Amino acid sequence: AQTVTQSQPEMSVQEAETVTLSCTYDTSESDYYLFWYKQPPSRQMILVIRQEAYKQQNATENRFSVNFQKAAKSFSLKISDSQLGDAAMYFCAYRRGNSAGNMLTFGGGTRLMVKP
Amino acid sequence: DSGVTQTPKHLITATGQRVTLRCSPRSGDLSVYWYQQSLDQGLQFLIQYYNGEERAKGNILERFSAQQFPDLHSELNLSSLELGDSALYFCASSAGGSGANVLTFGAGSRLTVL
Repeated sequence: AQTVTQSQPEMSVQEAETVTLSCTYDTSESDYYLFWYKQPPSRQMILVIRQEAYKQQNATENRFSVNFQKAAKSFSLKISDSQLGDAAMYFCAYRRGNSAGNMLTFGGGTRLMVKP
Repeated sequence: DSGVTQTPKHLITATGQRVTLRCSPRSGDLSVYWYQQSLDQGLQFLIQYYNGEERAKGNILERFSAQQFPDLHSELNLSSLELGDSALYFCASSAGGSGANVLTFGAGSRLTVL
């Protein structure tokens, strides 16, 4: 079974600074996708960024980027120029490729606090 | 608005009771997923449906059941409720069963069992 581990229960960052959230996963699959979801106090789950395992290039979405290390099974999220609105729980998630039962498997989450 | 609609938003009930949570997926999405988020268990996958058929089952208790109807909306039935069932229940949908399809989440149904 696939597992996703987020080793940092809490992180804090100063506004306008950069922070990196860590995630590791375990799988024997070759076709899979990795995601970061944000859960603000409203509790809504919001997709931040997605990475296809077959792509070597790291995904980027505005201030959010990932460092995908396939061999190390590592998938970290970098948030640049942190803003107060970035304060939230961040969940790393794994999903198998084209097969049945490709639900998202989530890590335990990292609470990010942004200091003004 | 994500396009995934969950009702009710909040529900308070007593132990031993039965409740039904409803989910309408995004227009055009065929897959529906149910997740439970509790403080001690994190986000746990319960069950997935694809175009009316059960596709995958996760850590879903026997007291819980679900179905997806021909109009693609889904219901999660929770019976013989216990205090530990108090949680936020999310529904998510995706266009198909491919891993490339992004899951879009609803706002959740918060269940409190007293």
